[in-house]
Amino acid sequence: SYELTQPPSVSVSPGQTARITCSGDALPKQYAYWYQQKPGQAPVLVIYKDSERPSGIPERFSGSSSGTTVTLTISGVQAEDEADYYCQSADSSGTVVFGGGTKLTVL
Amino acid sequence: EVQLVESGGGLVQPGGSLRLSCAASGFTFSSYSMNWVRQAPGKGLEWVSYISSSSSTIYYADSVKGRFTISRDNAKNSLYLQMNSLRAEDTAVYYCARGYGDYVGYFDLWGRGTLVTVSS
Repeated sequence: SYELTQPPSVSVSPGQTARITCSGDALPKQYAYWYQQKPGQAPVLVIYKDSERPSGIPERFSGSSSGTTVTLTISGVQAEDEADYYCQSADSSGTVVFGGGTKLTVL
Repeated sequence: EVQLVESGGGLVQPGGSLRLSCAASGFTFSSYSMNWVRQAPGKGLEWVSYISSSSSTIYYADSVKGRFTISRDNAKNSLYLQMNSLRAEDTAVYYCARGYGDYVGYFDLWGRGTLVTVSS
């Protein structure tokens, strides 16, 4: 199996840009997906296939990929964006991995 | 309304069994793969199991292989997880999640979860 590594925490002030990274050796070969989870709630998909945004997700959420690292960027962070964020990937053998999660704090 | 609703969680002793259910509505259940994902208290997400739309392909995480069995009934729009030989480390909120994309892919719809507590 393989691992996805995320920073435990990221802090930004309202209106600033938050960047959350996810690193893994398999990422150049596999898509990454991002989920937002607020306390007491189920996760919500915010980015799929590295950089695609599902309908209903605000435009301030974007994703990018470079080599073994994918990045979730939240531009113009709002208080409501405070949450845990998880990256995820899956391969053709049925291996599914989540990153450890990053707690985004809006100061 | 498009939704997934889990049920069947509760308190069970170590070594015991439990069967979780997930009722789907608002979409064509038989067209989608389905998954179980769990989250231990205060911890991150852990994928548990995958089943393809026709039940022809099934995958398990190593941590549950041989103890858990995933199944589905497309006529009843329902997903199941039979959990046997439960351990304390299986304590978690169990989410039902709709799959999309190639192979297991990603999870575009989640239920609210059901709590399983394994304790004596």
